[in-house]
Amino acid sequence: EAQVTQNPRYLITVTGKKLTVTCSQNMNHEYMSWYRQDPGLGLRQIYYSMNVEVTDKGDVPEGYKVSRKEKRNFPLILESPSPNQTSLYFCASSSNPGGRRRTTLTDTQYFGPGTRLTVL
Amino acid sequence: AQSVTQPDIHITVSEGASLELRCNYSYGATPYLFWYVQSPGQGLQLLLKYFSGDTLVQGIKGFEAEFKRSQSSFNLRKPSVHWSDAAEYFCAVGARNFNKFYFGSGTKLNVKP
Repeated sequence: EAQVTQNPRYLITVTGKKLTVTCSQNMNHEYMSWYRQDPGLGLRQIYYSMNVEVTDKGDVPEGYKVSRKEKRNFPLILESPSPNQTSLYFCASSSNPGGRRRTTLTDTQYFGPGTRLTVL
Repeated sequence: AQSVTQPDIHITVSEGASLELRCNYSYGATPYLFWYVQSPGQGLQLLLKYFSGDTLVQGIKGFEAEFKRSQSSFNLRKPSVHWSDAAEYFCAVGARNFNKFYFGSGTKLNVKP
């Protein structure tokens, strides 16, 4: 089954304790992205990756790191979490590599189930 | 700056009534446009998308949306709402090279029996 998985689904942590949220997709997608969802703000893009070893900032990258060492995985790293990073996080992947070929009607983003993070 | 506005935070409609959810965007070029639905505790599911061509787009679950370039709008419609449509709906725009995406703040739909 084609899917995007995230782990953990729920996490409560304390300020300053490094954490990683994993994201994995089994669709051989080149493009992957991280979003955070906050009430009244919708989803905001944190980082995205067009391919292995190619990452770039979205709208709200401060306090986050990412890496893309292999195609299927795109972990989100919080080196020193703070309470304002309490949020619902979504990972997404897409069949469109972006910029390299014309977008087609089959291109779309598939979203993971979300990770609810609480930083105390 | 790119932005997406969904002016209605909450909407309540009766089951069987028609629905229109509004979306306006600000973008420097012709964007790709999307509508997603999020049920409570779930991820996002794509309802429909517009890339080019016919400005009236059909999606899943009986939804459709119309792109109006002159109004910078991409409103979502459904002729007859079902109780299972109660959810939060997000409009989004994407860059033409499919790297950056911008979401609206969402509209929560309640359906009265």
